[in-house]
Amino acid sequence: QSALTQPASVSGSPGQSITISCTGTSSDVGTYNLVSWYQHHPGKVPKLMIFEDTKRPSGVSNRFSGSKSGNTASLTISGLQAEDEALYYCCSYGGSRIWVFGGGTKVNVL
Amino acid sequence: QMQLLQSGAEVKRPGASVNISCQASGYTFTGHYIDWVRQAPGQGLEWMGIIHPISGAATYAPKFQGRVSIIRDTSTSTVYMQLSSLRSEDSAVYFCARDRGSGSFAMDVWGQGTTVIVSS
Repeated sequence: QSALTQPASVSGSPGQSITISCTGTSSDVGTYNLVSWYQHHPGKVPKLMIFEDTKRPSGVSNRFSGSKSGNTASLTISGLQAEDEALYYCCSYGGSRIWVFGGGTKVNVL
Repeated sequence: QMQLLQSGAEVKRPGASVNISCQASGYTFTGHYIDWVRQAPGQGLEWMGIIHPISGAATYAPKFQGRVSIIRDTSTSTVYMQLSSLRSEDSAVYFCARDRGSGSFAMDVWGQGTTVIVSS
């Protein structure tokens, strides 16, 4: 099972929208509606932002949204804020009780 | 309040084993799988394995198969992860995380992390 592919970094100005892609294969992202996204500030614990491709846990801002097309899932952050600067990881179920993370994307707020 | 409390930092020699504990509280332990994830310095998150809290059945990432063992003790709501034949590349922060359940397969509660340093 190979890691999912994410861009190394994405940048945006406050108030703008950015989208982070997460590309897998037909064995993971493309087959299961089980992509989750995590926000990770250095030195802190990862935080679940999106589950089941598009669903937001209670307490997560509606500025965060998830989508998927084929083998690529995406996380969009709208109304970018300084506190959104962090690492973001996608994760997909790959069948046979195996999970795989993406390499992570650093979001920079300019 | 749902919480996962992990054991403290460890320093190990190459070739040794490390055993990290993760004690759950604030929710029904048997209702949620527990995952283990690690992050090496400068690297991303890496999924290591998962355990079913009732059956004790565990599945491991192919990369760690044969070196990792995850077990649980339902009497203390604790999950243990043992990694053997340690090498310097295993130096990392190790997290346990709760699967939110209901078929979501997403990790919604995380332990505070345990730093493992492998050095001669």
